Amino acid sequence: EAGVAQSPRYKIIEKRQSVAFWCNPISGHATLYWYQQILGQGPKLLIQFQNNGVVDDSQLPKDRFSAERLKGVDSTLKIQPAKLEDSAVYLCASSHLGGTEAFFGQGTRLTVV
Amino acid sequence: EDKVVQSPLSLVVHEGDTVTLNCSYEVTNFRSLLWYKQEKKAPTFLFMLTSSGIEKKSGRLSSILDKKELFSILNITATQTGDSAIYLCAVESNYGQNFVFGPGTRLSVLP
Repeated sequence: EAGVAQSPRYKIIEKRQSVAFWCNPISGHATLYWYQQILGQGPKLLIQFQNNGVVDDSQLPKDRFSAERLKGVDSTLKIQPAKLEDSAVYLCASSHLGGTEAFFGQGTRLTVV
Repeated sequence: EDKVVQSPLSLVVHEGDTVTLNCSYEVTNFRSLLWYKQEKKAPTFLFMLTSSGIEKKSGRLSSILDKKELFSILNITATQTGDSAIYLCAVESNYGQNFVFGPGTRLSVLP
């Protein structure tokens, strides 16, 4: 079974630039999560999708972050414009609807300079 | 607000030692507690605990949950250098299938 795929693996941008991350969940997983993990902290949930609908985006900084999951499969997370404090690893995870175990991708390490 | 606390935040041991990692939580509508091992970037799943007092084991790792006192422990016996990682505890609430992660325990096992 293929795992959760994320790209790119690494990204370095200057502050005020824009960046987008892509996630392809495990086939058949209805639930998709985006997490932000700042160095030294546990992952923080940014947004949760169920199919192509948003279940929880309460911790998503909506002035600069946006995410979509068209067709309920792949998802993209965008930051526009980026700030220095956005430097983090962005993890995507997916799970079956009603399933508890979430499978994580390798993440994208973003460095904002 | 849902909260997960882990202790210690970091731990350095020598190969062969036994370690106990702690996770306490406050969450509405608790559904399950999960332990992850994080090396490099992506956490990998270790255990899921839903019932009190039932130990889960996998090789040298074991974990148990106490739903009355709202905590879980992760034990690693006969540690090896390959056990060096960040161990994350996450709690799932019934509402919305949401996971709340703790800050993690950074374990370093020295040869």
